[in-house]
Amino acid sequence: SQQGEEDPQALSIQEGENATMNCSYKTSINNLQWYRQNSGRGLVHLILIRSNEREKHSGRLRVTLDTSKKSSSLLITASRAADTASYFCATDALSNTGKLIFGQGTTLQVKP
Amino acid sequence: DTEVTQTPKHLVMGMTNKKSLKCEQHMGHRAMYWYKQKAKKPPELMFVYSYEKLSINESVPSRFSPECPNSSLLNLHLHALQPEDSALYLCASSQEVRPYNEQFFGPGTRLTVL
Repeated sequence: SQQGEEDPQALSIQEGENATMNCSYKTSINNLQWYRQNSGRGLVHLILIRSNEREKHSGRLRVTLDTSKKSSSLLITASRAADTASYFCATDALSNTGKLIFGQGTTLQVKP
Repeated sequence: DTEVTQTPKHLVMGMTNKKSLKCEQHMGHRAMYWYKQKAKKPPELMFVYSYEKLSINESVPSRFSPECPNSSLLNLHLHALQPEDSALYLCASSQEVRPYNEQFFGPGTRLTVL
């Protein structure tokens, strides 16, 4: 079963606007990670937030984690056309196996 | 070098063929992974190698056979595949198999089974 569900499935915004994506998961976790995937290519790690952290920033990215609601959000500020990609959250379900379970993903289109 | 390389980029094979996918990393990582990704779907874990030993097999059919000859190299041997096996096959690596390790992904091999 899928650990993570994301919404929206698709998001279209203008360059300069902010984009927010949400991820929900079902079981307890050690950490939650966000990855970006450009069309048909490999995934790129964006940010990792530990279960005892509530918020984390990296450049134009802001991630929040609410373990009581089992949810996370990724905010991209001042979006650029180059941010157009699919974004996936991934959780480890408290395993020490290296296994990540990915959410369904949000497809972001940033129009110039 | 923070790159994971995969060859070939594209592969077309018949159902009776035998082929192999190759993945390489030189970051000193001791954990390596194979994922399968269908169009518009998230990656699904297939295998995990930790210190060159298979640690996870996610009930993958035996027509997929992984191999880790050394700490830098990971292969996926393919035999008697089905058309539904057509997908993007992604390799990834991380420092070790443990929490809080990000995974570094290769660009993938686009496999088409005729």
